[in-house]
Amino acid sequence: GQQVMQIPQYQHVQEGEDFTTYCNSSTTLSNIQWYKQRPGGHPVFLIQLVKSGEVKKQKRLTFQFGEAKKNSSLHITATQTTDVGTYFCAGRDSGAGSYQLTFGKGTKLSVIP
Amino acid sequence: DAGVIQSPRHEVTEMGQEVTLRCKPISGHNSLFWYRQTMMRGLELLIYFNNNVPIDDSGMPEDRFSAKMPNASFSTLKIQPSEPRDSAVYFCASSFGQGQPQHFGDGTRLSIL
Repeated sequence: GQQVMQIPQYQHVQEGEDFTTYCNSSTTLSNIQWYKQRPGGHPVFLIQLVKSGEVKKQKRLTFQFGEAKKNSSLHITATQTTDVGTYFCAGRDSGAGSYQLTFGKGTKLSVIP
Repeated sequence: DAGVIQSPRHEVTEMGQEVTLRCKPISGHNSLFWYRQTMMRGLELLIYFNNNVPIDDSGMPEDRFSAKMPNASFSTLKIQPSEPRDSAVYFCASSFGQGQPQHFGDGTRLSIL
């Protein structure tokens, strides 16, 4: 079945440093979604990427979808303490009849003030 | 607007007891998902429904787990009998269409003693 791997599993950064998490799928994706889960909270949808090579920005967050639609990244510029949480990617397989999302295990971000 | 509503928020019970988790999806959403989250295994999809019909229950651990969606505004996940290894946070999520961004409830934190 489809597998979605995320690295790193944990990342500790000093406030103001940049942060990147990477997501790789074993199969070609029709789209990829990113979610953020704050400590003690629930996953919250951030963005969806659909097109090959797509890049989207949300303030200090930059999301990329690979040309082959098998990988994606999330980059945060100048982290703040409010960025603390676990970031998940979730991919939808491009195969016919595939509708469910497969979540990566997430990258837990800690920001040291 | 009301989001996905789950109850109870916390449940502590002894092993062998029946546990019922409840979920009310966002009105108008036609896809509903049950997830289990643990430190070891991350976020696992247990089952999902589309238009009240179970589409994929391959993630349901074993026969002790069952899920129903009798109508568009209500779903239950039942564990009978419960075991300590079932302790986890159980999330319900809904979306407008399969493969679309999912909205998560606050989760049920389940502890089986």
